[in-house]
Amino acid sequence: QSGLTQPPSVSGAPGQRVTISCTGTRYNLGAGFDVHWYQHVPGTAPKLLIYANNNRPSGVPDRFSGSKSGTSASLAITGLQVDDEAEYYCQAIDIGPGTYVVFGGGTKLTVL
Amino acid sequence: QVQLVESGGGVVQPGGSLRLSCLASGFTFSNYAMHWVRQAPGKGLEWVSIISFDAKNEYYADSVKGRFTVSRDSSKNTLYLQMNNLRTEDTAVYFCARDFGVIPDYYYYMDVWGKGTTVSVSS
Repeated sequence: QSGLTQPPSVSGAPGQRVTISCTGTRYNLGAGFDVHWYQHVPGTAPKLLIYANNNRPSGVPDRFSGSKSGTSASLAITGLQVDDEAEYYCQAIDIGPGTYVVFGGGTKLTVL
Repeated sequence: QVQLVESGGGVVQPGGSLRLSCLASGFTFSNYAMHWVRQAPGKGLEWVSIISFDAKNEYYADSVKGRFTVSRDSSKNTLYLQMNNLRTEDTAVYFCARDFGVIPDYYYYMDVWGKGTTVSVSS
């Protein structure tokens, strides 16, 4: 069972705004660790989208933004584009028994 | 350009062994900690292991501890994952990834990923 919980799927029409939630525990987000977000299209390399809660690597458009508060985090995507259709994962350090790094279960974004 | 290319995947019987490789290029390999992450069919990403920039520290997920060993050869810019006593639940695409931090720090998140190599454990 993942230490980070995400909704299995979200959807939106082109141009709309969607958010993806990520709920942690006292062993990861609640312990003060940062959350990071990845975009993954099957068959390709995953891509770092947001790091340290709300920072975008060079080349990631400002349509993508992140936030974190307590044990919860979220990824927001504005101006949805067809190319945004992918699986999105949150990730954090976890100090629970036998873990160091945890990923959320992933959220499939469908652009209608 | 910065690139990671995995190889070594294949089909192996339960109890068998396999060694994965990850060739790094476009950056100073010895300055970065490196990770292995896997994705089982129909499942999400699962962190497997990290090795420090100098190979002095390595950590594993409980699911592979005692069976998998991570190593690196900076003279060859290559990361390895030796997988022994393989189980059917190890079937997955295995990705190598670069840690975000630069020597001596590592941050436990990944800014460069390969496309993965597929491991299938089946009788």
